[in-house]
Order: sequence, then structure tokens, then C-alpha cells
Amino acid sequence: DTGVSQNPRHKITKRGQNVTFRCDPISEHNRLYWYRQTLGQGPEFLTYFQNEAQLEKSRLLSDRFSAERPKGSFSTLEIQRTEQGDSAMYLCASSSHEGGPYGYTFGSGTRLTVV
Amino acid sequence: GENVEQHPSTLSVQEGDSAVIKCTYSDSASNYFPWYKQELGKGPQLIIDIRSNVGEKKDQRIAVTLNKTAKHFSLHITETQPEDSAVYFCAASLNYGNNRLAFGKGNQVVVIP
Repeated sequence: DTGVSQNPRHKITKRGQNVTFRCDPISEHNRLYWYRQTLGQGPEFLTYFQNEAQLEKSRLLSDRFSAERPKGSFSTLEIQRTEQGDSAMYLCASSSHEGGPYGYTFGSGTRLTVV
Repeated sequence: GENVEQHPSTLSVQEGDSAVIKCTYSDSASNYFPWYKQELGKGPQLIIDIRSNVGEKKDQRIAVTLNKTAKHFSLHITETQPEDSAVYFCAASLNYGNNRLAFGKGNQVVVIP
């Protein structure tokens, strides 16, 4: 296993279009997280899954955003009707520890540019 | 929610010198404090972490200290090398079923050869 994989690495889209990103976590990790990182800032929590259950969503996750993890393995993050303010790096992380956020492994991220 | 602040925003050090980055947090219930290193074009990489029942932890040239009373924790890098140049993020988490990490804004560390 080579770590957390995110695709695509880069995405340029026109305002108003829908985009979908994919995250493949480390295979034995049952927890999966999505974060957003804008230039010069630290990552901001969006949502997390334990297996296929989405257990928490941030207020940052507006109704244009939806995340799924249908079989408890890979996850997708969809943004509908993209806006310029959605331009950011979208990071996925996974972990296997129970009862806390210990030992996150992040992927390399998907950089979204909305033009 | 938890608020994490980092100082300084940019730090330049001569190769071989030590670098220290400090973070403060707001929620006294936070009990897990990781540090991440992020290189250009890559995701953050966990380099060291500490839990609130420990005051200090060391891993080769990297150490983290935690002062729960003052609500701050610091990353210490000794004998800096050019490959230590990166952005470093501190984070904090509440461990009562909440799995989110609250990150600081990051410190750009530049090691001058």
C-alpha cells in the first residue's frame, strides 16, 4: 500500500460546473477525513467517515458539497455549482485508531481552481 | 470551537542551528497535539505528536514540549538541515468523540545553507 491516494491532482473548472474528487485511503484504515486548505492557511475540517457512516460535517460544508463513502473504502467529494471561493486544495486523510484523531495520514490533495 | 495560533509566521535559520515554533490553543479540554510538515505540492506529513498526559517527547532531531497550564506547545528542531525547509503546522484535538483537528496557519521554516 502506497498511502492515501487522491485523484485528480489538479482540476480547473468553470464557475457553475460540478466537480467530483476521489480519495482512496490506506486499505486497513476505517476512518476517512476531508479537509480544505486555502493559500497560506492550515487545513480546515470538512467531514469525516467511520467506515461508510458520515459522522460529522463542518459548517463549511454547504449544501453544494456532498461526500460519500459507499462501501467503507474509497470516498468521493462532490461540489455542485462551483464558485470562485471554492478554489482550494482538498485534502483527504485516513486513520485506523479508535477513539481519537491519532496518526492521520494525508494524501497529496486535489487542487481545485474555479475560473 | 478550538482555536490554534502559531508564531512566528516565517523563520529563517542557519544550517546547523536550532528552530523553535510555538503554538497556543484555546480549549483546555484539548488533549492531542500533532505537528505536520508540508512540502510544496504535497499533503501534510505527521512528524511528531504528543498527548496531554506527557510533557515532552523526542524523536531524533525533533522534540515537542507541552505546557497545559499555559496552553501552549512547541516544536524544536535541532541541527537543522536544508531538507527541513518546509511549512510546519501545529494542530489540536478534543478527544471526546470529536475527531477533527484544528490547525494553526503554519510556519514557513527556511534553512539557509
